[in-house]
Amino acid sequence: QQPVQSPQAVILREGEDAVINCSSSKALYSVHWYRQKHGEAPVFLMILLKGGEQKGHDKISASFNEKKQQSSLYLTASQLSYSGTYFCGTEEGDMRFGAGTRLTVKP
Amino acid sequence: NAGVTQTPKFQVLKTGQSMTLQCAQDMNHEYMSWYRQDPGMGLRLIHYSVGAGITDQGEVPNGYNVSRSTTEDFPLRLLSAAPSQTSVYFCASSYSGGSTNEKLFFGSGTQLSVL
Repeated sequence: QQPVQSPQAVILREGEDAVINCSSSKALYSVHWYRQKHGEAPVFLMILLKGGEQKGHDKISASFNEKKQQSSLYLTASQLSYSGTYFCGTEEGDMRFGAGTRLTVKP
Repeated sequence: NAGVTQTPKFQVLKTGQSMTLQCAQDMNHEYMSWYRQDPGMGLRLIHYSVGAGITDQGEVPNGYNVSRSTTEDFPLRLLSAAPSQTSVYFCASSYSGGSTNEKLFFGSGTQLSVL
C-alpha cells in the first residue's frame, strides 16, 4: 500500500522553508526519502530507521514519528537546487513510494 | 562501477508487440525491482526480486513478466504491449531486500510509448 504525501506541490522563493509530509495506514519500520530532478532518476536523500529519529543532510532534515505512522521532510533556507519532486518510500520486503511532492524554488 | 544500467533509453512500440526492457547492476545487489512512473502517480512497483531465482509481484504486475536467472540481471518483459503501458520505467537495486536500512540505486530510466 502506497504511503500518502502532502502537499502535492509547493512553490517557494529562495531562502524560504518547506515541510513535506508522508503518512501510512500501516505500521512503519523505516522511511526513505528521495529527490528526482526533471528527466532524471530518483536519488537517495536519507533513511530514518527508528521512531523519533531525525536526520539531516545540508539544510534538508527529516523526522520519523513511528507512533503516528508518519515522517516529515524539512527544507530550510531553500536553494534553487532543491527544486524537484520528493518521494517518500516505505519498506516491507519491497519498497512502495508516495505519489510525490513537486517542489519549485524561484529566485 | 557502472551502477544500474537500463537499456534502451527510448522505445516506441505498436499495440500487441512484445519487448524486453533490460536492467543490469554490477554492485552484487540481491534486491532488484521495476517501477513505472506516470504523471501524478509517483513510482509504482511492478515486480521485484530478493535474489536469483526469486521474483514477486508488486502493485501493478498485470501485463508484465520478469525472471531473475542471475544476480546481475533483471529483465522486464511486455508480452503484448498496450497503450496503457506507455510510461517511464525505472529499475532499482539495493544490497538486500527485506532490510529496512538499504538505499535504492536507480537506473536512468526507459521511456516507452505504445501506439
